[in-house]
Amino acid sequence: AQKVTQAQTEISVVEKEDVTLDCVYETRDTTYYLFWYKQPPSGELVFLIRRNSFDEQNEISGRYSWNFQKSTSSFNFTITASQVVDSAVYFCALSGGNYGGATNKLIFGTGTLLAVQP
Amino acid sequence: NAGVTQTPKFRVLKTGQSMTLLCAQDMNHEYMYWYRQDPGMGLRLIHYSVGEGTTAKGEVPDGYNVSRLKKQNFLLGLESAAPSQTSVYFCASSYQGGNEQFFGPGTRLTVL
Repeated sequence: AQKVTQAQTEISVVEKEDVTLDCVYETRDTTYYLFWYKQPPSGELVFLIRRNSFDEQNEISGRYSWNFQKSTSSFNFTITASQVVDSAVYFCALSGGNYGGATNKLIFGTGTLLAVQP
Repeated sequence: NAGVTQTPKFRVLKTGQSMTLLCAQDMNHEYMYWYRQDPGMGLRLIHYSVGEGTTAKGEVPDGYNVSRLKKQNFLLGLESAAPSQTSVYFCASSYQGGNEQFFGPGTRLTVL
């Protein structure tokens, strides 16, 4: 079965601190996709990144970076120099590809609430 | 482009009432999805469609029905609403499986 675990329910940091959100996944598929979405207090879901299982390169986008490690089945998300506008719930998600899973189904973690204090 | 839109934004029902939630997308996406979001449980897939005229069950399909008569629309129906269906419902679409899903703004449903 496919599963995504976000063990950190809530994290509180002070502005300008770096923060890492953890994501651990389980799948038997050899081809799969990992995602991060942001849900700010307004409620909409904002896509942040998509990574396929064959691409283990880390990615950096401005203050955001992602560390994908197949050996530990983790896809962690780091925000550098956090800002108040980063306050949101962040979801990690998985869709499978070739064994048991299906690319047309997203399995979400339970989310991590990040509160950035001024 | 409007992206993914949902109607209505809010609704209050009494137990046993029925209603239909409408999702529309203007991106010519083949795949469409309905999720529900409950506190502490993330988003869970209710039903999905991989093309016009097709539907399939997701993780939590009981109590819901769906239809995809037109490519751009995906309807979610509650035939006899129950308090356990109080939730925020999100519609999403994607070009194909494995691609980024684009989400609508959500519908907050309360069943009394």
